[in-house]
Amino acid sequence: DIQMTQSPSSLSVSVGDRVTITCRATLRIGTYLSWYQQKPGKAPNLLIYAASTLQSGVPSRFSGSGSGTDFTLTITSLQPEDVATYFCQQSYIVPWTFGQGTKVEIK
Amino acid sequence: QVQLQESGPGLVKPSETLVLTCTVSGGSISIYYWAWIRQSPGKGLEWIGNIYYSGSTNYNPSLRSRVTISVDTSKNQFSLKLSSVTAADTAVYYCARGSTIPHDIWGRGTLVTVSS
Repeated sequence: DIQMTQSPSSLSVSVGDRVTITCRATLRIGTYLSWYQQKPGKAPNLLIYAASTLQSGVPSRFSGSGSGTDFTLTITSLQPEDVATYFCQQSYIVPWTFGQGTKVEIK
Repeated sequence: QVQLQESGPGLVKPSETLVLTCTVSGGSISIYYWAWIRQSPGKGLEWIGNIYYSGSTNYNPSLRSRVTISVDTSKNQFSLKLSSVTAADTAVYYCARGSTIPHDIWGRGTLVTVSS
């Protein structure tokens, strides 16, 4: 299986700060990488697919980049409603696998 | 607007078979593929498998011997069967839709507890 490793596991930031989350795959996956946001008690919500394509309806402060094994999710100016856990997922090889998650909190 | 809703028992006894159904409303089950994903505190998000509307399936090798995913296009539903369950199968189970965009629509999730 392809292992997806996210860092950091958690971070505490101020409103308006820039947030960067990284995801590393154990095998090259091209751009078969998605990012999800999950709020407590809710299902994950797709933010980014194909590494850098913003899903319809997602605010433009979210962006994704990377290819191969290293990927980044960036929130340019954190808003209170962005408090959540963020997951990456590869869809290059079955079984599709997720990162362990990054919990974002407000300082 | 397409919506997905999981249904099934919230409590399953050890060694029995877990059966969940996902009903797709607001759109056709055809054209896309449909997935099951679960989430437990100990293992995070785990992709169980998916099925294309044609019936073609992919399963997580770690669960393949116990998993069956099927689709009923006449009812706009797809189902998950997981046999010989143990406490390790306790999780929130989600159904989700995919196309060229992986998992763009998810159900709310249903908690399944394995306990006698």
